[in-house]
Amino acid sequence: QSVLTQPPSVSAAPGQKVTISCSGSISNIGNNFVSWYRQLPGTAPKLLIYDNTKRPSGIPDRFSGSKSDTSATLGITGLQTGDEADYYCGTWDDSLSVGVFGGGTKVTVL
Amino acid sequence: QVQLQESGPGLVKPSQTLSLACTVSGGSISSGSYFWTWIRQPAGKGLEWIGRIYTGGTTYYNPSLKSRVTISADTSKNQFSLKLTSVTAADTAVYFCARGTFEYNDFWSGYRNWFDPWGQGTLVTVSS
Repeated sequence: QSVLTQPPSVSAAPGQKVTISCSGSISNIGNNFVSWYRQLPGTAPKLLIYDNTKRPSGIPDRFSGSKSDTSATLGITGLQTGDEADYYCGTWDDSLSVGVFGGGTKVTVL
Repeated sequence: QVQLQESGPGLVKPSQTLSLACTVSGGSISSGSYFWTWIRQPAGKGLEWIGRIYTGGTTYYNPSLKSRVTISADTSKNQFSLKLTSVTAADTAVYFCARGTFEYNDFWSGYRNWFDPWGQGTLVTVSS
């Protein structure tokens, strides 16, 4: 059971937009910054978003992040077949004193 | 650019010790203010944060694993390592090493925490 809650799957047609939610509590998302990762099958996670909204160099602006209270959201616009992957949110939990992640959301391009 | 590569046995017997190393290239583990981190992922499941070692050598572990985990660094080899004792089948997972950033932001009163880059991961199976 993951500390952060994500929907197991989301899907949309190519070119459309998907949003992935990440729900937590005051001790994690509520107090701290959120990061997002994409994991293609059989590969390591790759950083997409850090500090709730910032994109590392090389990450296209099709990817966006936001945070409100104890929830965060990853948005992907202009969906491509190459976006099919698992997406994870992560943050620090003050009560548990550990890094925590969501259970992951599988994005399917219809 | 910084790259990380895990290495170690892919099969460990129950009750024995899992030992993995992460070799860092393209940068020194002694420089910067980074937290060199281990994260694992059981097959088909999510990510679990194991622990980290700071550039200066300070370590911090997941409380749920703390009694069994040791993370150390060898600056001469530009490596950091993970040891997990008394393993069981529940420790079977892909183990990733990653460079972590962990800073307290005074203005927003919160921790900035992310992992980038990651190693490719190595599968460790616990079985007799």
